[in-house]
Amino acid sequence: QLQLQESGPRLVKPSETLSLTCTASGDSISSRSFLWGWVRQPPGKGLEWIGSISESGSTFYSPSLRSRLSMSVDTSKNQFSLKVSSVTAADTALYYCARHAKGRGDYEEGEEGERFFYHYYMDIWGKGTTVTISS
Amino acid sequence: SFVLTQPPSVSVAPGQTARITCGGKNIGIKSVHWYQEKPGQAPVLVVHDDTYRPSEIPERFSGSNSGNRATLTISRVDAGDEADYYCQVWDSSTDHVVFGGGTKLTVL
Repeated sequence: QLQLQESGPRLVKPSETLSLTCTASGDSISSRSFLWGWVRQPPGKGLEWIGSISESGSTFYSPSLRSRLSMSVDTSKNQFSLKVSSVTAADTALYYCARHAKGRGDYEEGEEGERFFYHYYMDIWGKGTTVTISS
Repeated sequence: SFVLTQPPSVSVAPGQTARITCGGKNIGIKSVHWYQEKPGQAPVLVVHDDTYRPSEIPERFSGSNSGNRATLTISRVDAGDEADYYCQVWDSSTDHVVFGGGTKLTVL
């Protein structure tokens, strides 16, 4: 059974870069059947999607964080990583990594014709790590 | 971007049925997924693709989705079901994950 574990500094100074790594154990992240992503939860607030990445490195970023966000995957280490630059106190949160499984397959009409996609959901989560932004 | 609307709170007596809604424009054409988050614990998937339960989730948890509203139904509620519940979809128009704001379920 796959397990995920977040790691990285718990305290980051304002304007610096927050870096977290999620290490998978019990299974490989090389499978094309999943995406791998990050979700955060500021104190007292709801879940916020940060971004997701495929095993080949294709990325999907939250529009609110896109300009400060970088994600990568290292299949040789069975890890994927998150970097958020120019952090402020608003980035203080509990950060989770999660596996995204493929839900129902579907089609939609787009500008370039019909496109197939999956309704992804998060079936396995890490325990989470709290990151505080403070000087 | 796609918006999901949940009531902030739902209260129900033990043994009764709790219904938590998730509203969105034409949400019925999407697959809705539901998570349970208890204090100090990571979220747990309780329903995916509108109606499917992971094997470890009790049959008391069920989901439905039609029109502009999806619903998570928890029958025979007990104190252990007290948690925050979040709905989620994959917005295919932008390839983004979208979460609802969450609903706090209180067992009276």
